[in-house]
Amino acid sequence: DTGVSQDPRHKITKRGQNVTFRCDPISEHNRLYWYRQTLGQGPEFLTYFQNEAQLEKSRLLSDRFSAERPKGSFSTLEIQRTEQGDSAMYLCASSQFSQQETQYFGPGTRLLVL
Amino acid sequence: KQEVTQIPAALSVPEGENLVLNCSFTDSAIYNLQWFRQDPGKGLTSLLLIQSSQREQTSGRLNASLDKSSGRSTLYIAASQPGDSATYLCAVGTIGAGSYQLTFGKGTKLSVIP
Repeated sequence: DTGVSQDPRHKITKRGQNVTFRCDPISEHNRLYWYRQTLGQGPEFLTYFQNEAQLEKSRLLSDRFSAERPKGSFSTLEIQRTEQGDSAMYLCASSQFSQQETQYFGPGTRLLVL
Repeated sequence: KQEVTQIPAALSVPEGENLVLNCSFTDSAIYNLQWFRQDPGKGLTSLLLIQSSQREQTSGRLNASLDKSSGRSTLYIAASQPGDSATYLCAVGTIGAGSYQLTFGKGTKLSVIP
Protein backbone atom coordinates (compact mmCIF):
# COMPACT_ATOMS: atom_id res chain seq x y z
CA ASP A 1 0.00 0.00 0.00
CA THR A 2 1.51 3.30 -1.09
CA GLY A 3 -0.48 5.65 1.10
CA VAL A 4 -3.65 7.71 1.02
CA SER A 5 -4.98 8.43 -2.47
CA GLN A 6 -7.53 11.00 -3.60
CA ASP A 7 -9.43 11.38 -6.81
CA PRO A 8 -9.68 13.60 -8.75
CA ARG A 9 -6.59 15.69 -8.09
CA HIS A 10 -8.14 18.74 -9.70
CA LYS A 11 -11.73 19.74 -10.36
CA ILE A 12 -13.09 22.82 -12.09
CA THR A 13 -16.84 23.31 -11.94
CA LYS A 14 -19.43 25.99 -12.46
CA ARG A 15 -21.30 27.52 -9.57
CA GLY A 16 -24.40 25.53 -8.73
CA GLN A 17 -23.06 22.17 -9.88
CA ASN A 18 -22.56 19.18 -7.60
CA VAL A 19 -19.13 17.60 -7.14
CA THR A 20 -17.96 14.41 -5.46
CA PHE A 21 -14.48 13.57 -4.26
CA ARG A 22 -13.12 10.17 -3.29
CA CYS A 23 -10.52 9.20 -0.71
CA ASP A 24 -8.90 5.79 -0.34
CA PRO A 25 -7.12 5.52 3.02
CA ILE A 26 -4.23 3.27 3.96
CA SER A 27 -5.84 -0.16 4.03
CA GLU A 28 -5.43 -1.05 7.70
CA HIS A 29 -6.45 2.40 8.97
CA ASN A 30 -9.84 2.59 10.64
CA ARG A 31 -9.97 6.38 11.05
CA LEU A 32 -10.53 8.81 8.19
CA TYR A 33 -10.60 12.61 8.24
CA TRP A 34 -11.56 15.32 5.77
CA TYR A 35 -10.01 18.80 5.90
CA ARG A 36 -10.36 21.94 3.80
CA GLN A 37 -7.44 24.26 3.12
CA THR A 38 -7.67 27.68 1.51
CA LEU A 39 -4.71 29.66 0.22
CA GLY A 40 -2.35 30.82 2.95
CA GLN A 41 -4.23 28.97 5.68
CA GLY A 42 -3.70 25.74 7.53
CA PRO A 43 -6.10 22.85 6.97
CA GLU A 44 -9.43 23.10 8.79
CA PHE A 45 -11.18 20.01 10.11
CA LEU A 46 -14.43 19.08 8.36
CA THR A 47 -15.42 15.60 9.50
CA TYR A 48 -14.15 12.32 10.91
CA PHE A 49 -15.05 8.64 10.55
CA GLN A 50 -14.17 5.67 12.66
CA ASN A 51 -14.83 2.68 10.45
CA GLU A 52 -18.16 3.49 8.78
CA ALA A 53 -19.47 5.74 11.55
CA GLN A 54 -19.27 9.50 11.10
CA LEU A 55 -18.43 10.60 14.64
CA GLU A 56 -17.91 14.31 14.31
CA LYS A 57 -18.74 17.13 11.91
CA SER A 58 -17.41 20.66 12.01
CA ARG A 59 -19.71 23.65 11.89
CA LEU A 60 -17.86 24.44 8.65
CA LEU A 61 -19.71 21.52 7.10
CA SER A 62 -22.88 23.18 5.88
CA ASP A 63 -25.92 21.19 4.80
CA ARG A 64 -24.61 21.32 1.22
CA PHE A 65 -21.77 19.03 2.26
CA SER A 66 -22.18 15.32 2.91
CA ALA A 67 -19.61 12.64 3.55
CA GLU A 68 -19.92 8.88 3.59
CA ARG A 69 -17.75 5.88 4.31
CA PRO A 70 -20.17 3.06 3.50
CA LYS A 71 -18.02 0.02 4.17
CA GLY A 72 -15.43 1.52 6.42
CA SER A 73 -12.92 1.67 3.58
CA PHE A 74 -13.02 4.50 0.99
CA SER A 75 -14.90 7.72 1.66
CA THR A 76 -16.68 10.26 -0.52
CA LEU A 77 -17.25 13.95 0.07
CA GLU A 78 -20.05 15.55 -1.92
CA ILE A 79 -20.70 19.26 -2.27
CA GLN A 80 -24.09 20.21 -3.64
CA ARG A 81 -24.90 23.52 -5.33
CA THR A 82 -21.27 24.64 -5.24
CA GLU A 83 -20.43 28.26 -4.47
CA GLN A 84 -17.29 30.22 -5.29
CA GLY A 85 -16.39 30.17 -1.60
CA ASP A 86 -16.07 26.39 -1.80
CA SER A 87 -12.92 26.78 -3.89
CA ALA A 88 -10.15 25.17 -1.82
CA MET A 89 -7.93 22.14 -1.44
CA TYR A 90 -9.82 19.22 0.11
CA LEU A 91 -7.49 16.94 2.03
CA CYS A 92 -8.14 13.46 3.30
CA ALA A 93 -6.13 11.77 6.05
CA SER A 94 -6.22 8.38 7.71
CA SER A 95 -4.86 6.88 10.90
CA GLN A 96 -4.88 3.68 12.86
CA PHE A 97 -6.35 3.93 16.32
CA SER A 98 -3.39 3.91 18.68
CA GLN A 99 -1.73 6.11 21.22
CA GLN A 100 0.25 7.79 18.46
CA GLU A 101 -2.66 8.99 16.30
CA THR A 102 -0.29 9.92 13.47
CA GLN A 103 -2.37 11.07 10.53
CA TYR A 104 -1.23 10.33 6.99
CA PHE A 105 -2.46 12.77 4.37
CA GLY A 106 -3.37 12.28 0.74
CA PRO A 107 -2.30 14.66 -2.06
CA GLY A 108 -5.59 16.54 -1.93
CA THR A 109 -8.25 17.52 -4.45
CA ARG A 110 -8.05 21.12 -5.61
CA LEU A 111 -11.52 22.52 -6.38
CA LEU A 112 -12.11 25.67 -8.38
CA VAL A 113 -15.66 26.94 -8.63
CA LEU A 114 -16.20 29.45 -11.44
CA LYS B 1 -11.46 26.88 21.29
CA GLN B 2 -7.88 25.90 20.51
CA GLU B 3 -5.93 28.45 18.46
CA VAL B 4 -2.52 27.76 16.95
CA THR B 5 -0.13 30.52 15.89
CA GLN B 6 3.08 30.12 13.92
CA ILE B 7 5.84 32.68 13.78
CA PRO B 8 7.34 33.78 11.48
CA ALA B 9 4.93 33.49 8.56
CA ALA B 10 7.87 33.33 6.16
CA LEU B 11 11.60 32.83 6.54
CA SER B 12 14.47 32.96 4.08
CA VAL B 13 17.90 31.63 5.07
CA PRO B 14 21.15 30.77 3.28
CA GLU B 15 22.00 27.12 2.83
CA GLY B 16 23.78 25.55 5.79
CA GLU B 17 22.20 27.76 8.43
CA ASN B 18 20.46 26.34 11.50
CA LEU B 19 16.95 27.67 12.07
CA VAL B 20 14.03 27.55 14.48
CA LEU B 21 10.33 27.67 13.68
CA ASN B 22 7.91 28.59 16.45
CA CYS B 23 4.42 27.39 17.28
CA SER B 24 2.18 28.51 20.13
CA PHE B 25 -1.23 27.24 21.23
CA THR B 26 -3.82 28.66 23.58
CA ASP B 27 -5.13 25.55 25.38
CA SER B 28 -2.51 23.43 27.11
CA ALA B 29 -4.85 20.43 27.44
CA ILE B 30 -3.45 18.73 24.37
CA TYR B 31 -3.09 15.07 23.46
CA ASN B 32 -0.13 15.50 21.13
CA LEU B 33 1.48 17.89 18.67
CA GLN B 34 2.61 17.21 15.11
CA TRP B 35 4.83 19.04 12.69
CA PHE B 36 4.08 18.64 9.00
CA ARG B 37 5.75 19.69 5.78
CA GLN B 38 3.74 20.81 2.76
CA ASP B 39 5.19 21.36 -0.69
CA PRO B 40 3.35 23.74 -3.05
CA GLY B 41 0.05 22.26 -4.24
CA LYS B 42 0.66 19.01 -2.42
CA GLY B 43 -0.61 17.18 0.64
CA LEU B 44 1.02 17.09 4.05
CA THR B 45 3.92 14.91 5.16
CA SER B 46 4.24 14.17 8.87
CA LEU B 47 7.69 15.04 10.19
CA LEU B 48 7.50 14.56 13.94
CA LEU B 49 4.86 13.76 16.54
CA ILE B 50 5.31 14.61 20.21
CA GLN B 51 3.01 13.09 22.80
CA SER B 52 1.82 15.42 25.56
CA SER B 53 4.01 13.59 28.08
CA GLN B 54 7.16 14.06 25.98
CA ARG B 55 9.50 17.02 25.79
CA GLU B 56 11.10 16.45 22.40
CA GLN B 57 11.45 14.22 19.37
CA THR B 58 14.28 13.96 16.88
CA SER B 59 14.47 12.71 13.31
CA GLY B 60 17.68 13.26 11.38
CA ARG B 61 18.34 16.99 11.14
CA LEU B 62 14.99 17.82 12.73
CA ASN B 63 14.30 18.29 16.43
CA ALA B 64 10.94 19.28 17.84
CA SER B 65 10.39 20.38 21.42
CA LEU B 66 7.21 20.78 23.42
CA ASP B 67 6.54 22.92 26.49
CA LYS B 68 2.93 22.15 27.21
CA SER B 69 2.61 24.40 30.23
CA SER B 70 3.65 27.49 28.29
CA GLY B 71 1.80 26.43 25.14
CA ARG B 72 4.85 26.37 22.89
CA SER B 73 6.64 24.09 20.47
CA THR B 74 9.69 24.68 18.32
CA LEU B 75 11.00 22.90 15.26
CA TYR B 76 14.77 23.09 14.90
CA ILE B 77 16.29 22.36 11.50
CA ALA B 78 20.04 21.86 11.44
CA ALA B 79 22.28 22.56 8.45
CA SER B 80 19.44 23.65 6.19
CA GLN B 81 19.39 22.55 2.54
CA PRO B 82 17.54 23.91 -0.51
CA GLY B 83 15.41 20.75 -0.43
CA ASP B 84 14.05 21.88 2.94
CA SER B 85 12.19 24.71 1.21
CA ALA B 86 8.49 24.17 1.93
CA THR B 87 5.73 25.30 4.26
CA TYR B 88 5.95 23.86 7.75
CA LEU B 89 2.71 23.39 9.65
CA CYS B 90 2.23 22.85 13.36
CA ALA B 91 -0.89 20.96 14.43
CA VAL B 92 -2.19 20.41 17.94
CA GLY B 93 -4.11 17.21 18.62
CA THR B 94 -6.91 17.23 21.17
CA ILE B 95 -9.51 14.71 22.23
CA GLY B 96 -13.09 15.75 22.84
CA ALA B 97 -16.28 13.72 23.06
CA GLY B 98 -14.31 10.61 22.17
CA SER B 99 -12.91 11.90 18.91
CA TYR B 100 -9.46 13.14 18.02
CA GLN B 101 -9.01 16.41 16.16
CA LEU B 102 -6.07 18.36 14.77
CA THR B 103 -6.01 22.16 14.86
CA PHE B 104 -3.47 23.67 12.48
CA GLY B 105 -1.53 26.89 12.41
CA LYS B 106 -1.21 28.85 9.17
CA GLY B 107 2.32 27.62 8.62
CA THR B 108 5.77 29.06 8.13
CA LYS B 109 6.98 29.27 4.53
CA LEU B 110 10.70 28.45 4.48
CA SER B 111 13.03 29.28 1.62
CA VAL B 112 16.60 27.99 1.76
CA ILE B 113 18.82 29.88 -0.66
CA PRO B 114 21.66 27.92 -2.31
